Amino acid sequence: GAVVSQHPSRVICKSGTSVKIECRSLDFQATTMFWYRQFPKQSLMLMATSNEGSKATYEQGVEKDKFLINHASLTLSTLTVTSAHPEDSSFYICSAIRGPDDQPQHFGDGTRLSIL
Amino acid sequence: GENVEQHPSTLSVQEGDSAVIKCTYSDSASNYFPWYKQELGKGPQLIIDIRSNVGEKKDQRIAVTLNKTAKHFSLHITETQPEDSAVYFCAASISGNQFYFGTGTSLTVIP
Repeated sequence: GAVVSQHPSRVICKSGTSVKIECRSLDFQATTMFWYRQFPKQSLMLMATSNEGSKATYEQGVEKDKFLINHASLTLSTLTVTSAHPEDSSFYICSAIRGPDDQPQHFGDGTRLSIL
Repeated sequence: GENVEQHPSTLSVQEGDSAVIKCTYSDSASNYFPWYKQELGKGPQLIIDIRSNVGEKKDQRIAVTLNKTAKHFSLHITETQPEDSAVYFCAASISGNQFYFGTGTSLTVIP
């Protein structure tokens, strides 16, 4: 199989805190990882695409300095929400693909972020 | 860029009946079409996919059909069960590096 582990599953913290979310591919090497944000009863909104060893590509409207993405290895990508505010509260989901040619995305179970 | 539309947004069926969800896409270069099932509070899980060189694919109670000419693809679930209740997303991909998702269909199977 292709297992993607995302941690933590839920975070509740005060406004101004920075929060790091980890995404790991457990049984394969991920050439590319994606980070999504999902609002209640809505579709997945792509935030950024990250490739191992290079800078992430952010979608239009996503603040690079706000959402820091690091793809340090072929099995780990992290998303850091810096100085989080209540409007950053959301469900964040990562996914990973093995290779560039029509491979399915394998999703983590998401992180529910609540900023008080 | 690619635009994926998905219908219906909500669907209720009686247990044992079939459910059909339809998606259309705009870019003829799209060549890979996965379907995902998302349960409450979890990430999407791949349930079936189809590539552009195939017209139909089946896996037990789930099937997907693709009409490249009309640029639409559909998910068919037969003999629905309560555990099929979830949100389903279609997606279209060009070369596997960028995926465009539909807006989702909330399926409820009534026991």
